[in-house]
Amino acid sequence: GQQLNQSPQSMFIQEGEDVSMNCTSSSIFNTWLWYKQDPGEGPVLLIALYKAGELTSNGRLTAQFGTTRKDSFLNISASIPSDVGIYFCAVRLSGTYKYIFGTGTRLKVLA
Amino acid sequence: DAGVIQSPRHEVTEMGQEVTLRCKPISGHNSLFWYRQTMMRGLELLIYFNNNVPIDDSGMPEDRFSAKMPNASFSTLKIQPSEPRDSAVYFCASSTGGLLLGYTFGSGTRLTVV
Repeated sequence: GQQLNQSPQSMFIQEGEDVSMNCTSSSIFNTWLWYKQDPGEGPVLLIALYKAGELTSNGRLTAQFGTTRKDSFLNISASIPSDVGIYFCAVRLSGTYKYIFGTGTRLKVLA
Repeated sequence: DAGVIQSPRHEVTEMGQEVTLRCKPISGHNSLFWYRQTMMRGLELLIYFNNNVPIDDSGMPEDRFSAKMPNASFSTLKIQPSEPRDSAVYFCASSTGGLLLGYTFGSGTRLTVV
């Protein structure tokens, strides 16, 4: 089946640093989402991308939908302790209501 | 808006027992999804409903798992009999059916089968 690979799997960064993570697929998808999961909670939608090449921001977060429609990137600027969590990408299977989720990037911020 | 409400938050049960997980979707959302999250397999879609009708249950692992949505404001996921390998966090999510918007997840039920 389809698989979304996220990298890195986990990362430690210093507070104030910028963070980059990405999500790749072997298939083309037309809708890419980024979610964040806090410990003990469900994932929360951060950013949605609908168009190849699109760049969208939400506060300190910026995400890009790759031009090949097989990848997406998420950047977090000036990280803070509350950025800790797991970041998931997700894509919608065409013609269905189903989203599949990536393997996740676990972010830990050192104060 | 109270969000997606799941109960219980935690469940510990003995192998062989029946387990029922409950979900109340956001009012007005007509699609409901059950996911399971484990370290090994990540987030897996088990089943989803649209307008209370099961659309795709291909992710349900075995016949021991069943899900119902008797009305627009309530759904259950039942495991009978439960096994230790069913231990996971089970999430319910709902959406308006505006497919581009993704889902709103509940806080999950952490199930431990001993």
